[in-house]
Amino acid sequence: AQKITQTQPGMFVQEKEAVTLDCTYDTSDQSYGLFWYKQPSSGEMIFLIYQGSYDEQNATEGRYSLNFQKARKSANLVISASQLGDSAMYFCAMRDIKLGNQGGKLIFGQGTELSVKP
Amino acid sequence: NAGVTQTPKFHILKIGQSMTLQCTQDMNHNYMYWYRQDPGMGLKLIYYSVGAGITDKGEVPNGYNVSRSTTEDFPLRLELAAPSQTSVYFCASSYPVSSGTYEQYFGPGTRLTVT
Repeated sequence: AQKITQTQPGMFVQEKEAVTLDCTYDTSDQSYGLFWYKQPSSGEMIFLIYQGSYDEQNATEGRYSLNFQKARKSANLVISASQLGDSAMYFCAMRDIKLGNQGGKLIFGQGTELSVKP
Repeated sequence: NAGVTQTPKFHILKIGQSMTLQCTQDMNHNYMYWYRQDPGMGLKLIYYSVGAGITDKGEVPNGYNVSRSTTEDFPLRLELAAPSQTSVYFCASSYPVSSGTYEQYFGPGTRLTVT
């Protein structure tokens, strides 16, 4: 069975500094995708970044990068130059993306609450 | 495009009552999903659909029913509501995995309280 583990319930970071949010996963599939979502206090789920299991380069999207270490089954999110607006819950998620898969549901971790201090 | 829309945004339901949460998407996505999020937790899949007329159970389907008569709509029905169904409900949609595009697009959520 697939599983996502986020071991940091809460994190603090100083504004303008970088922060790493940890995510480890467990799967026996070879084709999978890893996602990070941001959930601000308003409640919506905001897609941040995606990494495919066969992608050789780490994904980057603006200030977000995904540190993908396949052998260690980790997919940590790095936020550079933190801003006050980055304060939110962050969820790591995984999806089976092999062809012929029905549904392709997301499996979520429990989340990490990030607080950015001015 | 409005994306994924959900109604209502908030609702208080009495124990034993029933209601339907509405979800509509205008992106012509084949796949649609219902998740629930309990306080301090990640999202768990309730039901999903890979196309009109096709639905299947997710991780936590008990107490819920769905239907998918059109590509756009995927309502979630709560029968005989229980306090354990107090949660935030998210609808999501996506293209098929075979499309090579994997992101799921989420609606704004429905905050449901059962008392």
